[in-house]
Amino acid sequence: SQQGEEDPQALSIQEGENATMNCSYKTSINNLQWYRQNSGRGLVHLILIRSNEREKHSGRLRVTLDTSKKSSSLLITASRAADTASYFCATDSSGTSYGKLTFGQGTILTVHP
Amino acid sequence: GAGVSQSPSNKVTEKGKDVELRCDPISGHTALYWYRQSLGQGLEFLIYFQGNSAPDKSGLPSDRFSAERTGGSVSTLTIQRTQQEDSAVYLCASSSRWGGRTDTQYFGPGTRLTVL
Repeated sequence: SQQGEEDPQALSIQEGENATMNCSYKTSINNLQWYRQNSGRGLVHLILIRSNEREKHSGRLRVTLDTSKKSSSLLITASRAADTASYFCATDSSGTSYGKLTFGQGTILTVHP
Repeated sequence: GAGVSQSPSNKVTEKGKDVELRCDPISGHTALYWYRQSLGQGLEFLIYFQGNSAPDKSGLPSDRFSAERTGGSVSTLTIQRTQQEDSAVYLCASSSRWGGRTDTQYFGPGTRLTVL
């Protein structure tokens, strides 16, 4: 079953604009991870944020985590056409110590040149 | 270094046949996971290995599905008597352990299985 709910389901923007995707989850977590997927194949890891962290940056990516609201957001700044992909959040729930991930439904991002 | 590799990249089979999917994790990663991605169900966990043992098989959809891992490295996911609903992309991931917990999972390119 899917723990995460992501919104929007689809996002279409112009190159240079910022893209924000949101993820909500239901149970306590150890960490939350964001992945990118191109053309329905392998997942590329973007960033991991632990439950005791509130914000992390990596290049043009900024992730926030609000454990009180059980939500996270991924911001991509100055988007490029190459950012076009599906983006998934995945949670590692507190109930296990081995990192089983539960994925959201994903956001399809289209960046127009 | 080399990432997670999976083979074959695509597999087309007839209903009722058995298939084997292979995963080579990142060298030194003790944790290995199988997930499945299908249109109707999204991304689902199938099974977790720590070394050669599988403490969590809770995601395997039926007894037609089995997996093994040998030498703490290569893993094989076997589907017997395939059905059309088994059509999906099967993804493998591996992870190291950090502070007693597993960390970032690195995914392979997946195997797209089509059952006719």
